[in-house]
Amino acid sequence: GIQVEQSPPDLILQEGANSTLRCNFSDSVNNLQWFHQNPWGQLINLFYIPSGTKQNGRLSATTVATERYSLLYISSSQTTDSGVYFCAPARHVRFGAGTRLTVKP
Amino acid sequence: DTGVSQDPRHKITKRGQNVTFRCDPISEHNRLYWYRQTLGQGPEFLTYFQNEAQLEKSRLLSDRFSAERPKGSFSTLEIQRTEQGDSAMYLCASSFDRGMNTEAFFGQGTRLTVV
Repeated sequence: GIQVEQSPPDLILQEGANSTLRCNFSDSVNNLQWFHQNPWGQLINLFYIPSGTKQNGRLSATTVATERYSLLYISSSQTTDSGVYFCAPARHVRFGAGTRLTVKP
Repeated sequence: DTGVSQDPRHKITKRGQNVTFRCDPISEHNRLYWYRQTLGQGPEFLTYFQNEAQLEKSRLLSDRFSAERPKGSFSTLEIQRTEQGDSAMYLCASSFDRGMNTEAFFGQGTRLTVV
């Protein structure tokens, strides 16, 4: 199956800072999803992105399918952005270890 | 649509007991996944169904685990003779697979504690 690696594993930011999370996958994927896991454990859909860039408010995601990676940008981070971020191929939904983001006030 | 629904949300059981969890996918979603997640780890794939057919099962899944989706709608995950190591969050997801990739949505999970 497709292997997913995310970096960095942990990220600590001051509120207002920007950040970039990276997702590498071992084989080509047609669509990639980004999720945010809230403190109660639910995975919230952020982006469903085949290639190119999508934006939603302070968040945007870019996938370069030919080079097998995707980036999640968080601008002007807020404490509510804290949590674990996962990426996964959309059809064969497999996860890496995620990036744990902590935003400090 | 109310999204993916899982029941119960929490379950505490004694070691050796059997437990069963239920997942109701988004209506008309033909693909359903089960995952297990322990603290500090990403969700670990267990199995998935396309309609009522179980198409893949993780080798990590011992024979104490069984999943069904008898009518291609809701699914159940049963764990027999529970062990303390089974304590985890069990997540269910669904998607509508048309032969192309499609977006998966997750339920709120069932948190199992084996004492």
